[in-house]
Amino acid sequence: DAGVTQSPTHLIKTRGQQVTLRCSPKSGHDTVSWYQQALGQGPQFIFQYYEEEERQRGNFPDRFSGHQYPNYSSELNVNALLLGDSALYLCASSPGPHEKLFFGSGTQLSVL
Amino acid sequence: AQKVTQAQTEISVVEKEDVTLDCVYETRDTTYYLFWYKQPPSGELVFLIRRNSFDEQNEISGRYSWNFQKSTSSFNFTITASQVVDSAVYFCALSEAYYNTDKLIFGTGTRLQVFP
Repeated sequence: DAGVTQSPTHLIKTRGQQVTLRCSPKSGHDTVSWYQQALGQGPQFIFQYYEEEERQRGNFPDRFSGHQYPNYSSELNVNALLLGDSALYLCASSPGPHEKLFFGSGTQLSVL
Repeated sequence: AQKVTQAQTEISVVEKEDVTLDCVYETRDTTYYLFWYKQPPSGELVFLIRRNSFDEQNEISGRYSWNFQKSTSSFNFTITASQVVDSAVYFCALSEAYYNTDKLIFGTGTRLQVFP
């Protein structure tokens, strides 16, 4: 049983570019959340998707957007990249609200 | 305001020592959930424990134990007889029942280094 998988593992972009990160949840999970983890910090909640809709959003600008597909996989899109967007982006899935989250290994994004 | 504070940035111990990681939280919600996660160098967050606000029983799982005290808004984590494999960053997190989602509020983490 595969856990949460994310791709790519690492990514290097330049300022102003756009990026798409991908996530497949653990089998049987229909909810996907995205977190941003800056170096030396705890993860920050970006948003959560359930039934292909954004259920809740954290304090992130509209440059951050997402999508969930019928097979529950999800994408995180970031437009007009800034240097400050450099971080580890973590995807998580769960069997339901307030249950334990299963995290992927993350995508390390570097913006130059 | 919702907040999780992990005042210990880094702790270093020698193998077999006991170590306690502190966590203090703030919430206005009466129903909430507390978590501990471990993040090894690989980056993947590993779930350790989940506690709801109505269950103040302490829990022990092998060398790990957790002390939940609502009176002091603390949820501390103790590793007994630490091992080198325990070296990681440990995060405490809060989830409020008001928001029926998976939004977790994380602390800044405590980096634990266990030396042989």
